[in-house]
Amino acid sequence: AQRVTQPEKLLSVFKGAPVELKCNYSYSGSPELFWYVQYSRQRLQLLLRHISRESIKGFTADLNKGETSFHLKKPFAQEEDSAMYYCALSNFGNEKLTFGTGTRLTIIP
Amino acid sequence: GAGVSQSPRYKVAKRGQDVALRCDPISGHVSLFWYQQALGQGPEFLTYFQNEAQLDKSGLPSDRFFAERPEGSVSTLKIQRTQQEDSAVYLCASSLAGGPDTGELFFGEGSRLTVL
Repeated sequence: AQRVTQPEKLLSVFKGAPVELKCNYSYSGSPELFWYVQYSRQRLQLLLRHISRESIKGFTADLNKGETSFHLKKPFAQEEDSAMYYCALSNFGNEKLTFGTGTRLTIIP
Repeated sequence: GAGVSQSPRYKVAKRGQDVALRCDPISGHVSLFWYQQALGQGPEFLTYFQNEAQLDKSGLPSDRFFAERPEGSVSTLKIQRTQQEDSAVYLCASSLAGGPDTGELFFGEGSRLTVL
C-alpha cells in the first residue's frame, strides 16, 4: 500500500532562514509526487509536482528514490510562506492521491 | 464562478440523519473527485468520476456513503444514517482530464460536516 509520511506537524522558521519540509513515501512502483499548500482561509492548491521540475514561489523539491523522500525546500523564508503544506503521491495511470498528514509552517518575522 | 463550488459550507446533523453535499466543478472539467479530511489529517480519497461514470469508489468507507454525477457535471455525495465518525471536511476537486498525474486538481473550499 502507498503511504506518505510528514514527520513534522509544526515547523517554525525565522524570516530569511532556509526552510525544509520533510516528506517520505512508501510505494513499490514509480510514483508521482506533489506538494499542495493551503494558505489561511484559502482552498487547497497545487504548489509543485515532481515531474515539472519547476521552482514555484522559490520552493523546490527533489525526488530521492534511494531515500524515498521528496522534501520541500526554500533558501530564504518569507512571511507569506506561512501555511499548511501537504505532500501527496499518485501512481501513473491512477487517479487517486494519497496525502500525508501535513506540516503547518509558521514564519517568524 | 471560476472555481469549484461546494454547498453547504457547514452542516450540522444529528446522528442518524441523512445528509447531501453538493459539488459544482469548474465548467468543462471531465474528472471529479471527493476526499474526506478528518481533523488533523490529510485528505483521504473517497471516489472519482469521469464524466458521469463512477470509475473508482474504493475509498467510500461504508455502504452508507453514495456519490453520483448523473449528467457529468454537478455531483452529490450522500451520507445515510450519519455517525459521529463521519464528522469531517468533505472536499471536492475537479480536473480538465484524468487524474493528478495528467492534470492539475482544483479543490473546492469544502463542506464541514459535524455529526452530534
